[in-house]
Amino acid sequence: GAVVSQHPSRVICKSGTSVKIECRSLDFQATTMFWYRQFPKQSLMLMATSNEGSKATYEQGVEKDKFLINHASLTLSTLTVTSAHPEDSSFYICSAKLPGGNSPLHFGNGTRLTVT
Amino acid sequence: AQSVTQPDIHITVSEGASLELRCNYSYGATPYLFWYVQSPGQGLQLLLKYFSGDTLVQGIKGFEAEFKRSQSSFNLRKPSVHWSDAAEYFCAVGLAAGNKLTFGGGTRVLVKP
Repeated sequence: GAVVSQHPSRVICKSGTSVKIECRSLDFQATTMFWYRQFPKQSLMLMATSNEGSKATYEQGVEKDKFLINHASLTLSTLTVTSAHPEDSSFYICSAKLPGGNSPLHFGNGTRLTVT
Repeated sequence: AQSVTQPDIHITVSEGASLELRCNYSYGATPYLFWYVQSPGQGLQLLLKYFSGDTLVQGIKGFEAEFKRSQSSFNLRKPSVHWSDAAEYFCAVGLAAGNKLTFGGGTRVLVKP
């Protein structure tokens, strides 16, 4: 079964509003989660690394004031797209690492954001 | 900086035929290599991974991949494709098992009946 839960799966919002996307690790603690963005028919681009209890680390070119990340607990990271615009429409996917030295990343099912 | 190249954007294969997806990487260190599959509108599912040891790794759904250091490749194979294998496949590389990943551009697989 799924080990990383992402909510909502789809969201439509009006331009200028903010949208929050949740990423939860199920039955395990994730000190680090990663947020990716995927444009249609393209690959995944890392946006930021979410660290529990500290500030997120953003990749070059990603606006941290635009994409707010909060990792307030060991099982939850949130991505808030602030003042959304149509160009923010995309597929957002989070991932987390299971405990254990060589555990790979597991991904949520993604959130399709459409800004009208 | 690391990079991952998947030369084939689309591959069409007949059901029951074999499938091979290519992946080449550029990396300054010993890479951790992964293959993920994505169905339309869905997240990514891990097919298999290579960290060290035997260079031929087995994954789920009948997939396998072979790490060739001399060619900087990590190609994915399946001997007999099923219609349910139609999806997008991503090769990825990372510094460590649970570290952030760099993805290739993906290969979309279409399966003909």
